[in-house]
Amino acid sequence: DGGITQSPKYLFRKEGQNVTLSCEQNLNHDAMYWYRQDPGQGLRLIYYSQIVNDFQKGDIAEGYSVSREKKESFPLTVTSAQKNPTAFYLCATGSRGEQFFGPGTRLTVL
Amino acid sequence: RKEVEQDPGPFNVPEGATVAFNCTYSNSASQSFFWYRQDCRKEPKLLMSVYSSGNEDGRFTAQLNRASQYISLLIRDSKLSDSATYLCVVNYAGNNRKLIWGLGTSLAVNP
Repeated sequence: DGGITQSPKYLFRKEGQNVTLSCEQNLNHDAMYWYRQDPGQGLRLIYYSQIVNDFQKGDIAEGYSVSREKKESFPLTVTSAQKNPTAFYLCATGSRGEQFFGPGTRLTVL
Repeated sequence: RKEVEQDPGPFNVPEGATVAFNCTYSNSASQSFFWYRQDCRKEPKLLMSVYSSGNEDGRFTAQLNRASQYISLLIRDSKLSDSATYLCVVNYAGNNRKLIWGLGTSLAVNP
C-alpha cells in the first residue's frame, strides 16, 4: 500500500536527550515536511525538503535538525536545545500543493 | 493580521443540518486553496481542493471568492461522523511547496 509511516507513535524522552523521529514514504513524492502541533494550535512548519540532499528551515527550526539522504526518508531529530519539545509531530509529503500526512508521533519530555 | 483566519467555533449543529465555514486570507497572490479535516488526536486529511469555479463532492461544496479573499465550505445533511476540525489551507503563487495553515474550525454534530 502507498503511504507515509511514522515511528514511534508515542515517545518519551528525558530532558537533555536528543531523539530522532522516523518518517518514511512510498508515494514517490519529492517534497517532504515536518510540522509540530500543540494543543489548540495550528500546524507549524519545522523543516521541509523539496529534493534529496536539500532542505530548508521552516518557521520554528530552532532546536531541530533533519537529513534527506534518500527520497523515501526524512528523519527529524529533536535536540536538547529545543526548549519545549513536548508536542504532536507530523510528517507529510506533497504533490502540487496537496499534502498527505503520516499518523504522527506524540513526544513527551519527562 | 494572520495570513489565514478562521472562526474557531465550536459549531454545534444537529444531525441533518447545513453548516458553512468561512476562511479569509491576506495575500492576494494566493494561488491554491484546500480544506483539510482533522479528527481528534489524528493527522489532517485532505478533504477537497477549492477551484475558482467552485466545486462539489457529495454533501460538501467549496467556494472561492478572490475579490473578497475568502473561501468557504458548506456541509449539507450533517452526519455524526462529520464532527471534526476543518482546516483552511492556502498556497501562495511561486511557493508551490509551502502551505499556510489556518487554526481550524471545530464542528460537533449532535444526535
